[in-house]
Amino acid sequence: GAVVSQHPSRVICKSGTSVKIECRSLDFQATTMFWYRQFPKKSLMLMATSNEGSKATYEQGVEKDKFLINHASLTLSTLTVTSAHPEDSSFYICSARRDGPEQYFGPGTRLTVT
Amino acid sequence: AQSVTQLGSHVSVSEGALVLLRCNYSSSVPPYLFWYVQYPNQGLQLLLKYTSAATLVKGINGFEAEFKKSETSFHLTKPSAHMSDAAEYFCAVSRNSGGYQKVTFGTGTKLQVIP
Repeated sequence: GAVVSQHPSRVICKSGTSVKIECRSLDFQATTMFWYRQFPKKSLMLMATSNEGSKATYEQGVEKDKFLINHASLTLSTLTVTSAHPEDSSFYICSARRDGPEQYFGPGTRLTVT
Repeated sequence: AQSVTQLGSHVSVSEGALVLLRCNYSSSVPPYLFWYVQYPNQGLQLLLKYTSAATLVKGINGFEAEFKKSETSFHLTKPSAHMSDAAEYFCAVSRNSGGYQKVTFGTGTKLQVIP
């Protein structure tokens, strides 16, 4: 149990366009979902935390207007990178929390902005 | 405040040898501690967790970790390394922040297993 999926696994988009990444908890209802960004050879950086039906809480330095997070249901959260630029290219990983302290991670989405 | 320090960004062991990945934490409150493994271009998989029960925690794939409060450590071990253990390992500490669990990750240790 506790499977989290992400879609797409890889996406290439042109600079200036927007791209949406979906995160789903497949076999449980997630009380909270998290979005991370991982740079090459670096650890995970928490971008934001979202609870179903409420606005996401963004970490310091993360532009909320650029990285739009929608937590539409207890099993789905989306991250939209608006007006993407090459520096937004990264590995984006979501996670979901069920009822304990541990988080269950999705497989990640590799975003490349050309 | 909380933080995690992983000593050694790269660790190499021979196949069959002991694996020891070091993690020290700081936390102002009793923490939850985790080890995650990440294979290339994949998300993180939970190996094991400490949540204030037994101090010696057994996880998947033969890994275990011991919580030592006096040393503020949570080192990850495995008696005998397999080639399939080659991956990046992250130690993490979690605490309640504003009603939700906020996780802080270490910088990761890349484990290389030499045949």
